[in-house]
Amino acid sequence: EAGVVQSPRYKIIEKKQPVAFWCNPISGHNTLYWYRQNLGQGPELLIRYENEEAVDDSQLPKDRFSAERLKGVDSTLKIQPAELGDSAVYLCASSLDPGTLGYFGPGTRLTVL
Amino acid sequence: QQQVKQSPQSLIVQKGGISIINCAYENTAFDYFPWYQQFPGKGPALLIAIRPDVSEKKEGRFTISFNKSAKQFSLHIMDSQPGDSATYFCAAQNTGNQFYFGTGTSLTVIP
Repeated sequence: EAGVVQSPRYKIIEKKQPVAFWCNPISGHNTLYWYRQNLGQGPELLIRYENEEAVDDSQLPKDRFSAERLKGVDSTLKIQPAELGDSAVYLCASSLDPGTLGYFGPGTRLTVL
Repeated sequence: QQQVKQSPQSLIVQKGGISIINCAYENTAFDYFPWYQQFPGKGPALLIAIRPDVSEKKEGRFTISFNKSAKQFSLHIMDSQPGDSATYFCAAQNTGNQFYFGTGTSLTVIP
């Protein structure tokens, strides 16, 4: 069974440019998370979906970040415009239920120049 | 404010030795405490987890010790192997299903 798939794996952009990350969760997993992991730090939640509904987006910087999960399957996270401080690894994770957090994707490493 | 405090930041252990990583928390609403292992270029992988109704959980060479009164929990890796070299994160989940991660411990096991 395929794990959580993310693309691209690496992205380098200049500040003020837009960028988008894509995540395909494990089949059947209703809960999907986007986390941001800064260098040398633990992951921090950006947004959590239950099916199509964003149930926790309290830490998402809504002035520049947006996310969607159409049809309750794959998801896209967008940053527009990107800032230097957005350089980080963006991790997607999925689970069968919101009480567990067991499956992370490999992440997208974003570098903003 | 860091919800879960993790120490040490880095750890070097000889092969066959015991690796111990500690975490502490303040929020009594936490009711699930997982540990994750992360290799370079990979996402974190769930290693072992415990709920506060037990004081210890063991899976193979990995053991979580949990002290509810002290609000502390720790990961013990017995017979540490070079393949265990990775970054380890503790985490805590509250009743609202929000997960908070520690800052990570970089473990190096020397052959």
